[in-house]
Amino acid sequence: SQKIEQNSEALNIQEGKTATLTCNYTNYSPAYLQWYRQDPGRGPVFLLLIRENEKEKRKERLKVTFDTTLKQSLFHITASQPADSATYLCALEHSSASKIIFGSGTRLSIRP
Amino acid sequence: GAGVSQTPSNKVTEKGKYVELRCDPISGHTALYWYRQSLGQGPEFLIYFQGTGAADDSGLPNDRFFAVRPEGSVSTLKIQRTERGDSAVYLCASSLGQGNTGELFFGEGSRLTVL
Repeated sequence: SQKIEQNSEALNIQEGKTATLTCNYTNYSPAYLQWYRQDPGRGPVFLLLIRENEKEKRKERLKVTFDTTLKQSLFHITASQPADSATYLCALEHSSASKIIFGSGTRLSIRP
Repeated sequence: GAGVSQTPSNKVTEKGKYVELRCDPISGHTALYWYRQSLGQGPEFLIYFQGTGAADDSGLPNDRFFAVRPEGSVSTLKIQRTERGDSAVYLCASSLGQGNTGELFFGEGSRLTVL
């Protein structure tokens, strides 16, 4: 069956360290993968998109990798700050030009 | 406003009642999505419109749920004979549509509570 899996356990990181979140998928061949941030009581906000032919994408303190062989994306936040505390969601296209589906999200908590 | 607007932000209803949730997407966005999100879960896909037509309604849980987008802009999600299990946050998102990156712009959601 088709699945998108993210760490279900909350991730607690010391401020200043690098946070790494994982997104694994099975039985999909997405052309791209997206990462969103969601704060409590708010809608998700788009962060980054990485295409299947890109190994890595960066935006400020964010870095995303995409390994289509492993069927995995890693999302890194370097020099983490308490303001980075939120739930992070990965999302991908179900099939070409189709609906976008989400993982269950990983809650990240950065302690001062 | 420039963003996706959803109304009402909160709706409390009784079991068995009919509910309508409205979504006003970003102007010019041809794709519109409805998702449902329960506490601690990711957004669960319900239905996706490309223009006026439902391109994929495979996520609608049963025939009590229906959505329309008659003019290719505003969309309404309709839930008949509500049940307690329908309680969730209903999220709407829009995007530029086919041929684009698929980046979704979300509203703040409509929180539905069925008593």
